Amino acid sequence: DAGVIQSPRHEVTEMGQEVTLRCKPISGHDYLFWYRQTMMRGLELLIYFNNNVPIDDSGMPEDRFSAKMPNASFSTLKIQPSEPRDSAVYFCASISQGSNTGELFFGEGSRLTVL
Amino acid sequence: GNSVTQMEGPVTLSEEAFLTINCTYTATGYPSLFWYVQYPGEGLQLLLKATKADDKGSNKGFEATYRKETTSFHLEKGSVQVSDSAVYFCALERFSNDYKLSFGAGTTVTVRA
Repeated sequence: DAGVIQSPRHEVTEMGQEVTLRCKPISGHDYLFWYRQTMMRGLELLIYFNNNVPIDDSGMPEDRFSAKMPNASFSTLKIQPSEPRDSAVYFCASISQGSNTGELFFGEGSRLTVL
Repeated sequence: GNSVTQMEGPVTLSEEAFLTINCTYTATGYPSLFWYVQYPGEGLQLLLKATKADDKGSNKGFEATYRKETTSFHLEKGSVQVSDSAVYFCALERFSNDYKLSFGAGTTVTVRA
């Protein structure tokens, strides 16, 4: 399997622009997570889905952030409008509830810089 | 609720030194415990895990033992290498009605030649 695939790997944009980050989980995984990592706050859970349904979005910072999972193989995290404080590395991760290892698989991350 | 507290870094060591990163947890029931590692420029990946009390997880020379009496899961390696430089995260998982995974703050380890 190719693992969790995220795009873009790097994004540089200007304040006020819309940013869309994409994630393809591992096939067969029924949970998908979006995390944000910064030096100041470490690793933060933003939102997670089970069978394409958002379960907990309490970590989403504010209304400028939204996430969707239209099908089992694709999810997006959108920031509109973006602000410099949104600069971070955003990770997508997936797992199967039927997993016998309990391992959460992470993508390589999308590094966002908002100028 | 479930939570994990791990030793703050950064930690700087010389090659072949002994490494310990402390991790304690608070949880109801019997969670599984994990150590994840993040190498520079990469996502997190599983290093080792333990699913019940007294289990020892091991991988790449690292070990951690699930201690229920002290609610701890400390990570150790007897002789570190430069390639072990990374950020290490302790994590606690519960898979009951729903999935819950709690990460520690992460500990940055730098190993110098």
